[in-house]
Parts: sequence; C-alpha cells; structure tokens
Amino acid sequence: GAVVSQHPSRVICKSGTSVKIECRSLDFQATTMFWYRQFPKQSLMLMATSNEGSKATYEQGVEKDKFLINHASLTLSTLTVTSAHPEDSSFYICSATRDFDEQFFGPGTRLTVL
Amino acid sequence: EDQVTQSPEALRLQEGESSSLNCSYTVSGLRGLFWYRQDPGKGPEFLFTLYSAGEEKEKERLKATLTKKESFLHITAPKPEDSATYLCAVHGNYGQNFVFGPGTRLSVLP
Repeated sequence: GAVVSQHPSRVICKSGTSVKIECRSLDFQATTMFWYRQFPKQSLMLMATSNEGSKATYEQGVEKDKFLINHASLTLSTLTVTSAHPEDSSFYICSATRDFDEQFFGPGTRLTVL
Repeated sequence: EDQVTQSPEALRLQEGESSSLNCSYTVSGLRGLFWYRQDPGKGPEFLFTLYSAGEEKEKERLKATLTKKESFLHITAPKPEDSATYLCAVHGNYGQNFVFGPGTRLSVLP
C-alpha cells in the first residue's frame, strides 16, 4: 500500500507556457500533500504544503502566483507552473501523508523549459 | 529551528564492506525520524521510521538506530544494488513540515 503517482513523468515545453503536474495517492486518503523541487545532486527543497480544501502554504521564496497548487480531494493535488521559463527546469516531486507520519513520494516529474 | 545534517556527503565502499551513515538532528520535540533511499531520477523510497531513542529497525542489509541527537543507518555487507542516495528527515511536534538532510551518496563497487 501507500502508492503515490505523478503525471506526467517528463515534460518539455516552450518558454511562456504553463504546465500542470498531477499527484495522486492511489490507495489511501492523503491528509496532506507536499511539493518539492530537486536540483541535480542536491537534496529536496520543500516548495509548499497543501491540505485538502484549503490554500497551500508556501515556503519562503516560492512564488505562489508562479507555482499554483490545488488540492481538490484527499487523493489529488496539482501543481501548475505558470509562464514557465528555463530557470524553472527541474525535477518536481510530490509526496503524501495519511496520518502525518511517513511521507510517501511520487516518482517525480522532469520539467524542461526550452 | 529544526535542522538535519548528514555525513559523510559521499561514501564509496567495496562490496561486502560494512559501514554506517550518520544523521544528526535538532528538533523541538521529535515526532519521527525517517530514512529514505533515492535512486537517480526517481522519487525517494521510504525505508524506516524511528520514534524514540533506543529504537532500532532492520530491513535486509539495513539497520537504523536512533539516539536523542542522531540516527545511524548501518549497512552490512553491501551490494552494488545498494548504491543510492540515502536521505534522513525529521518531523517535529510543533509544525507540519518535515525537514530533510542533504543526503549521503553511497556507491558500492563490485
């Protein structure tokens, strides 16, 4: 149990377009979902925390108008990178927790902005 | 502020050469300490949760231990497939965020 999926796994887009990434908990209801960004050979950088039905809490330095997070249900959260630019290229990973103990991670989404 | 450091940053072992990875933490009331394994280009894979000092957990060649200030991930007789980055994270009692360490990149050579 405790499987988290992400879609798409890889996306390439042109500068100025918006990209939506979905994160789903497949076999449990996630009370909280997290979005991380990871640069090569670096650790996870928390971007935001989202709870179902409420506004996401963004970490300092993360633009909430740039990275829109919607947590529509207990099994789905989406991250939309608006007006993407090359510097937004990164590996984006979501995670979900059901009882606020372990986080279960998705496989990640590799975003490349040309 | 909760903090997590990990050492060494990178570790190269010969197959069968046992060693330990360190995770040092400061947290205002520990709710849980977590170990993850991450392969390149993939999301972290959950390994262990430890809740209190003195607790130990094992899984195949891995054993995690916990004290009030640090956790160790012991790797016994590692194999090349154990090569990965190992991440440690803590969750404090005050706040909903998990704090991750920078990770230890482990390479096991055949």
